Amino acid sequence: DTGVSQDPRHKITKRGQNVTFRCDPISEHNRLYWYRQTLGQGPEFLTYFQNEAQLEKSRLLSDRFSAERPKGSFSTLEIQRTEQGDSAMYLCASSPSGANQETQYFGPGTRLLVL
Amino acid sequence: AQSVTQLDSQVPVFEEAPVELRCNYSSSVSVYLFWYVQYPNQGLQLLLKYLSGSTLVESINGFEAEFNKSQTSFHLRKPSVHISDTAEYFCAVSHTGNQFYFGTGTSLTVIP
Repeated sequence: DTGVSQDPRHKITKRGQNVTFRCDPISEHNRLYWYRQTLGQGPEFLTYFQNEAQLEKSRLLSDRFSAERPKGSFSTLEIQRTEQGDSAMYLCASSPSGANQETQYFGPGTRLLVL
Repeated sequence: AQSVTQLDSQVPVFEEAPVELRCNYSSSVSVYLFWYVQYPNQGLQLLLKYLSGSTLVESINGFEAEFNKSQTSFHLRKPSVHISDTAEYFCAVSHTGNQFYFGTGTSLTVIP
């Protein structure tokens, strides 16, 4: 399977703990996106990388959230001092450069539950 | 600022009947428009997109959407739905091709 993969698929944590999620994009895609989706809502944009450079960040991305893509391949999203409001599905997507750069391929998501 | 409105949260429709899922966007500049589909227990998949050119775009499974600039709409239609079309449908808009704004989704249920 050469699609976008995310790990873990599910995470349960206690309030105040730190969590880290990983996303492996499609190998030839240099664009990578993180979204958050809560129940009954569409995906909300969090951040976007082109290669290793983080080019856009949403105001939703508080200072407790940090994302990295150090080698321009996989990416990690860390949430520090988790809060119950952080409970959501965290989605990763990737897209190629060039003609189809607007076409995003989504991973299955990581479902986070903060108790 | 850009936003997307999907007025219908749930749309039940009988098999082989036509369906329209509505999407309106707000933007003062030119945009790219998308429809994504999420089948039960699966990830989001691109259904179709409008970037420029012909205002009517089609997908491989019989859906089509028409970009209407004057009404700032991008409604999704299918003349005859199948059971397998049961899914959540999301409309999305982007100005830059970097940030994407999604609607709240429309749950389409096809009734046998």
